[in-house]
Amino acid sequence: DSGVTQTPKHLITATGQRVTLRCSPRSGDLSVYWYQQSLDQGLQFLIQYYNGEERAKGNILERFSAQQFPDLHSELNLSSLELGDSALYFCASTPATNTDTQYFGPGTRLTVL
Amino acid sequence: AQSVAQPEDQVNVAEGNPLTVKCTYSVSGNPYLFWYVQYPNRGLQFLLKYITGDNLVKGSYGFEAEFNKSQTSFHLKKPSALVSDSALYFCAVRDRVSGNTPLVFGKGTRLSVIA
Repeated sequence: DSGVTQTPKHLITATGQRVTLRCSPRSGDLSVYWYQQSLDQGLQFLIQYYNGEERAKGNILERFSAQQFPDLHSELNLSSLELGDSALYFCASTPATNTDTQYFGPGTRLTVL
Repeated sequence: AQSVAQPEDQVNVAEGNPLTVKCTYSVSGNPYLFWYVQYPNRGLQFLLKYITGDNLVKGSYGFEAEFNKSQTSFHLKKPSALVSDSALYFCAVRDRVSGNTPLVFGKGTRLSVIA
């Protein structure tokens, strides 16, 4: 158990809908990263937050957004969902520094029908 | 830009034999290098990392990796494979001078250990 929690574990929804994925980092970790894992794209970095502020942005679509709250949990919002958004979504956390290992949550499996 | 290549999608090895999962990287400066493992329906688990110092890094579950600067490689190795090592393995890199940048992951190598 990495100490990173994600909810829900599974999510099934329809095209055009909006969903919110939640991540709670390890106790004391200030940085949260979001990744998308799909069969054809591998593990893609989406966005990083550090202590409530956006720190880095990767291949995140405009339909997707995220935020980190004062209690350091983070939410990833996916809207106008398409079939191709079906994937595993992981979050990871680190305390702060560049050398720190990222600890991953168990993921949320999103299925868009 | 940083990048990682894992040239093999799949590696098959017999139980008890040594295993190697290959990784090469590209960064503009000196790298931080990582190996993660993903078991079915689970998140990624940290195995080991190279930051500085000894080129041979030892990690969890008997795995080790050797940093080779001249070949820009960081191959994962284990002297004797177990069936339970069967999983998806990811190599990742971060450029040491780029600030707090995210990790860049390879596409993963599926290891299958056959009894």
